[in-house]
Amino acid sequence: AQTVTQSQPEMSVQEAETVTLSCTYDTSENNYYLFWYKQPPSRQMILVIRQEAYKQQNATENRFSVNFQKAAKSFSLKISDSQLGDTAMYFCAFRPASGSGNTGKLIFGQGTTLQVKP
Amino acid sequence: DVKVTQSSRYLVKRTGEKVFLECVQDMDHENMFWYRQDPGLGLRLIYFSYDVKMKEKGDIPEGYSVSREKKERFSLILESASTNQTSMYLCASSLLVQGNGYTFGSGTRLTVV
Repeated sequence: AQTVTQSQPEMSVQEAETVTLSCTYDTSENNYYLFWYKQPPSRQMILVIRQEAYKQQNATENRFSVNFQKAAKSFSLKISDSQLGDTAMYFCAFRPASGSGNTGKLIFGQGTTLQVKP
Repeated sequence: DVKVTQSSRYLVKRTGEKVFLECVQDMDHENMFWYRQDPGLGLRLIYFSYDVKMKEKGDIPEGYSVSREKKERFSLILESASTNQTSMYLCASSLLVQGNGYTFGSGTRLTVV
Protein backbone atom coordinates (compact mmCIF):
# COMPACT_ATOMS: atom_id res chain seq x y z
CA ALA A 1 0.00 0.00 0.00
CA GLN A 2 1.15 3.51 -0.74
CA THR A 3 1.52 5.68 2.33
CA VAL A 4 2.60 9.22 3.16
CA THR A 5 4.09 10.07 6.56
CA GLN A 6 4.58 13.46 8.15
CA SER A 7 6.42 12.86 11.38
CA GLN A 8 6.11 16.38 12.81
CA PRO A 9 2.59 17.05 14.12
CA GLU A 10 3.45 20.61 15.16
CA MET A 11 6.22 23.09 14.46
CA SER A 12 6.88 26.73 15.14
CA VAL A 13 9.19 29.31 13.62
CA GLN A 14 9.97 32.96 14.21
CA GLU A 15 8.88 35.42 11.58
CA ALA A 16 11.53 35.93 8.85
CA GLU A 17 13.30 32.66 9.66
CA THR A 18 13.43 29.46 7.62
CA VAL A 19 11.62 26.24 8.48
CA THR A 20 11.59 22.78 6.90
CA LEU A 21 8.65 20.38 7.05
CA SER A 22 9.36 16.70 6.53
CA CYS A 23 7.51 14.16 4.44
CA THR A 24 8.32 10.59 3.50
CA TYR A 25 6.33 8.24 1.31
CA ASP A 26 6.29 4.62 0.40
CA THR A 27 5.63 3.37 -3.12
CA SER A 28 6.86 0.87 -5.66
CA GLU A 29 5.91 3.19 -8.52
CA ASN A 30 8.60 4.89 -10.56
CA ASN A 31 6.45 7.70 -11.95
CA TYR A 32 4.38 9.84 -9.65
CA TYR A 33 3.66 13.35 -8.45
CA LEU A 34 4.12 14.96 -5.07
CA PHE A 35 2.33 17.97 -3.65
CA TRP A 36 2.32 20.24 -0.65
CA TYR A 37 -1.00 21.79 0.35
CA LYS A 38 -1.61 24.54 2.86
CA GLN A 39 -4.77 24.76 4.98
CA PRO A 40 -5.00 28.05 6.86
CA PRO A 41 -7.55 28.65 9.65
CA SER A 42 -10.07 29.61 6.95
CA ARG A 43 -9.97 25.88 6.01
CA GLN A 44 -9.50 26.49 2.29
CA MET A 45 -6.87 24.06 1.05
CA ILE A 46 -4.42 25.71 -1.31
CA LEU A 47 -1.81 24.05 -3.51
CA VAL A 48 1.63 25.32 -2.52
CA ILE A 49 3.99 23.39 -4.74
CA ARG A 50 4.14 20.38 -7.01
CA GLN A 51 6.98 18.02 -8.00
CA GLU A 52 7.14 15.50 -10.82
CA ALA A 53 9.15 12.43 -9.84
CA TYR A 54 10.90 12.13 -13.18
CA LYS A 55 12.32 15.65 -12.83
CA GLN A 56 15.50 15.78 -10.78
CA GLN A 57 15.35 19.52 -10.31
CA ASN A 58 13.65 20.59 -7.11
CA ALA A 59 10.51 22.68 -7.55
CA THR A 60 10.46 26.27 -6.30
CA GLU A 61 7.61 28.76 -5.87
CA ASN A 62 8.78 32.10 -4.48
CA ARG A 63 9.62 31.48 -0.80
CA PHE A 64 8.64 27.81 -0.98
CA SER A 65 10.98 25.12 -2.21
CA VAL A 66 11.26 21.38 -1.90
CA ASN A 67 14.09 18.94 -1.33
CA PHE A 68 13.09 15.88 -3.32
CA GLN A 69 15.18 12.78 -2.65
CA LYS A 70 13.70 10.04 -4.82
CA ALA A 71 15.92 7.22 -3.60
CA ALA A 72 15.18 8.06 0.00
CA LYS A 73 11.49 8.67 -0.80
CA SER A 74 11.66 12.00 0.94
CA PHE A 75 9.92 15.24 -0.02
CA SER A 76 10.51 18.09 2.43
CA LEU A 77 9.14 21.62 2.15
CA LYS A 78 11.32 24.61 2.98
CA ILE A 79 9.69 27.94 3.74
CA SER A 80 12.10 30.87 3.64
CA ASP A 81 11.51 34.27 5.23
CA SER A 82 8.47 32.94 7.12
CA GLN A 83 5.50 35.26 7.35
CA LEU A 84 2.58 35.35 9.77
CA GLY A 85 0.30 34.36 6.89
CA ASP A 86 2.19 31.08 6.57
CA THR A 87 0.56 29.89 9.80
CA ALA A 88 -1.46 26.88 8.67
CA MET A 89 -1.63 23.13 8.55
CA TYR A 90 0.49 21.69 5.76
CA PHE A 91 -0.26 18.42 4.03
CA CYS A 92 2.07 16.38 1.88
CA ALA A 93 0.35 14.33 -0.84
CA PHE A 94 1.28 11.66 -3.37
CA ARG A 95 -0.35 10.77 -6.68
CA PRO A 96 0.73 7.82 -8.83
CA ALA A 97 0.99 8.53 -12.53
CA SER A 98 -2.00 7.53 -14.66
CA GLY A 99 -1.74 4.20 -16.37
CA SER A 100 -1.15 2.30 -13.18
CA GLY A 101 -4.88 1.96 -12.60
CA ASN A 102 -5.03 5.21 -10.73
CA THR A 103 -7.72 7.72 -11.61
CA GLY A 104 -6.17 10.70 -9.92
CA LYS A 105 -6.49 9.91 -6.23
CA LEU A 106 -4.20 11.76 -3.88
CA ILE A 107 -2.87 10.06 -0.78
CA PHE A 108 -2.31 12.52 2.07
CA GLY A 109 -0.09 12.58 5.10
CA GLN A 110 -1.36 13.35 8.58
CA GLY A 111 -0.48 17.03 8.37
CA THR A 112 1.91 19.37 10.18
CA THR A 113 0.60 22.42 12.00
CA LEU A 114 2.97 25.33 11.54
CA GLN A 115 2.83 28.37 13.80
CA VAL A 116 4.74 31.47 12.70
CA LYS A 117 5.50 33.67 15.71
CA PRO A 118 5.98 37.44 15.54
CA ASP B 1 -12.20 32.41 -10.49
CA VAL B 2 -12.71 28.66 -10.55
CA LYS B 3 -14.48 27.17 -7.62
CA VAL B 4 -15.55 24.14 -5.73
CA THR B 5 -18.55 25.03 -3.62
CA GLN B 6 -19.81 23.04 -0.65
CA SER B 7 -23.37 23.84 0.28
CA SER B 8 -22.89 24.17 4.04
CA ARG B 9 -20.00 25.39 6.14
CA TYR B 10 -21.41 24.07 9.41
CA LEU B 11 -24.06 21.44 9.94
CA VAL B 12 -25.57 19.88 13.07
CA LYS B 13 -27.64 16.73 12.68
CA ARG B 14 -29.20 14.17 14.98
CA THR B 15 -28.20 10.53 15.23
CA GLY B 16 -30.13 8.45 12.71
CA GLU B 17 -30.89 11.31 10.33
CA LYS B 18 -30.16 11.02 6.62
CA VAL B 19 -27.65 13.72 5.73
CA PHE B 20 -26.78 15.13 2.32
CA LEU B 21 -23.57 17.04 1.69
CA GLU B 22 -23.50 18.77 -1.67
CA CYS B 23 -20.52 19.77 -3.76
CA VAL B 24 -20.53 21.68 -7.05
CA GLN B 25 -17.58 22.57 -9.28
CA ASP B 26 -17.54 24.93 -12.25
CA MET B 27 -14.31 23.78 -13.90
CA ASP B 28 -15.62 20.89 -16.02
CA HIS B 29 -13.39 18.51 -14.03
CA GLU B 30 -13.84 14.78 -14.58
CA ASN B 31 -12.77 13.69 -11.11
CA MET B 32 -14.53 14.51 -7.88
CA PHE B 33 -13.66 13.33 -4.39
CA TRP B 34 -15.00 13.27 -0.86
CA TYR B 35 -12.56 13.18 2.05
CA ARG B 36 -13.00 13.41 5.76
CA GLN B 37 -10.41 15.19 7.86
CA ASP B 38 -9.78 14.22 11.48
CA PRO B 39 -6.99 15.41 13.81
CA GLY B 40 -3.94 13.19 13.61
CA LEU B 41 -5.37 11.16 10.73
CA GLY B 42 -5.02 13.62 7.88
CA LEU B 43 -7.40 13.31 4.96
CA ARG B 44 -9.01 9.97 4.28
CA LEU B 45 -10.79 9.21 1.04
CA ILE B 46 -14.43 8.19 1.36
CA TYR B 47 -15.56 7.95 -2.28
CA PHE B 48 -14.56 9.33 -5.62
CA SER B 49 -16.03 9.60 -9.09
CA TYR B 50 -14.28 9.94 -12.44
CA ASP B 51 -17.39 10.34 -14.57
CA VAL B 52 -21.11 10.93 -14.36
CA LYS B 53 -22.87 8.03 -12.65
CA MET B 54 -19.51 6.38 -11.92
CA LYS B 55 -18.29 5.96 -8.37
CA GLU B 56 -15.60 4.06 -6.56
CA LYS B 57 -15.04 3.35 -2.91
CA GLY B 58 -12.17 4.98 -1.17
CA ASP B 59 -10.51 3.88 2.03
CA ILE B 60 -13.41 4.44 4.44
CA PRO B 61 -16.73 4.07 2.53
CA GLU B 62 -18.68 2.37 5.33
CA GLY B 63 -21.74 4.33 6.37
CA TYR B 64 -21.59 6.59 3.30
CA SER B 65 -22.90 6.61 -0.23
CA VAL B 66 -22.54 9.07 -3.11
CA SER B 67 -24.40 10.30 -6.13
CA ARG B 68 -23.16 11.91 -9.32
CA GLU B 69 -26.03 12.57 -11.72
CA LYS B 70 -24.37 15.58 -13.36
CA LYS B 71 -20.71 16.22 -14.07
CA GLU B 72 -20.55 19.31 -11.88
CA ARG B 73 -22.27 17.90 -8.79
CA PHE B 74 -21.11 15.20 -6.37
CA SER B 75 -23.20 14.45 -3.31
CA LEU B 76 -22.17 12.59 -0.18
CA ILE B 77 -24.94 10.83 1.71
CA LEU B 78 -24.87 9.62 5.28
CA GLU B 79 -27.69 7.10 5.29
CA SER B 80 -28.11 7.10 9.08
CA ALA B 81 -25.83 9.58 10.77
CA SER B 82 -23.85 8.42 13.79
CA THR B 83 -21.73 10.34 16.27
CA ASN B 84 -18.51 8.81 14.89
CA GLN B 85 -19.25 10.60 11.63
CA THR B 86 -18.72 13.94 13.32
CA SER B 87 -15.88 15.36 11.25
CA MET B 88 -14.74 17.87 8.66
CA TYR B 89 -15.76 16.85 5.15
CA LEU B 90 -13.80 18.15 2.18
CA CYS B 91 -14.86 17.94 -1.44
CA ALA B 92 -12.30 18.25 -4.23
CA SER B 93 -12.15 18.03 -7.99
CA SER B 94 -9.44 17.54 -10.57
CA LEU B 95 -8.81 16.93 -14.21
CA LEU B 96 -8.15 13.36 -15.28
CA VAL B 97 -4.89 14.48 -16.86
CA GLN B 98 -1.73 13.23 -15.21
CA GLY B 99 -0.09 15.27 -12.57
CA ASN B 100 -2.91 17.57 -11.66
CA GLY B 101 -3.59 18.30 -8.06
CA TYR B 102 -6.97 19.03 -6.58
CA THR B 103 -9.09 22.11 -6.21
CA PHE B 104 -10.80 21.96 -2.85
CA GLY B 105 -14.01 23.28 -1.42
CA SER B 106 -13.92 25.12 1.88
CA GLY B 107 -15.20 22.16 3.88
CA THR B 108 -18.30 21.26 5.87
CA ARG B 109 -17.91 20.76 9.58
CA LEU B 110 -20.56 18.21 10.50
CA THR B 111 -21.55 17.54 14.08
CA VAL B 112 -23.82 14.58 14.82
CA VAL B 113 -25.49 14.76 18.21
